[in-house]
Amino acid sequence: KQEVTQIPAALSVPEGENLVLNCSFTDSAIYNLQWFRQDPGKGLTSLLLIQSSQREQTSGRLNASLDKSSGRSTLYIAASQPGDSATYLCAVRPPSWGKLQFGAGTQVVVTP
Amino acid sequence: EPEVTQTPSHQVTQMGQEVILRCVPISNHLYFYWYRQILGQKVEFLVSFYNNEISEKSEIFDDQFSVERPDGSNFTLKIRSTKLEDSAMYFCASSPLVLDRVMGQPQHFGDGTRLSIL
Repeated sequence: KQEVTQIPAALSVPEGENLVLNCSFTDSAIYNLQWFRQDPGKGLTSLLLIQSSQREQTSGRLNASLDKSSGRSTLYIAASQPGDSATYLCAVRPPSWGKLQFGAGTQVVVTP
Repeated sequence: EPEVTQTPSHQVTQMGQEVILRCVPISNHLYFYWYRQILGQKVEFLVSFYNNEISEKSEIFDDQFSVERPDGSNFTLKIRSTKLEDSAMYFCASSPLVLDRVMGQPQHFGDGTRLSIL
């Protein structure tokens, strides 16, 4: 059974520091992995999608890596800003119709 | 940018009552999903829907739940007889069809409906 874990559960950094968020999964048979941002009481905003055949995806200050064989993905956010404060979720997609399986998230606070 | 829209944003209902949550997926998307997030817990998959039928459902999606696409734009989740444990945030999501590569497409989520059962 697939388990998705995100460590740490919470993280506080001063503005300007780089953020490193970790996601691990127990079953490497995934189709892709998606990173989301969730603001309090709000929906999920898709940040990056990495296909299982890819090692990396970049969008602006965000970079996500995927090591499928070891069951790990890392989201890097460069030069963090207070507006980056949110909960970041990773979700894996098994080779089936489409359900995503989510981690519990990392709550990030960026202090000015 | 196109969005998934959900209504209402907050629904309060008495235990045992029926509730319908509504979603308008992104217009050219063909795959639809419902997820839920109980307060403080992980987002959980409920059901996926394509071509007017359920593609996959989780153990949570029992006989009390049903989904429907009543017209060309709406996608609904019905809970027939609500229980206290149905209190959660319910998210609708959609993804496009690009040839047969639906599985490689990102899912786009709405802002959710907070369902409170009293």
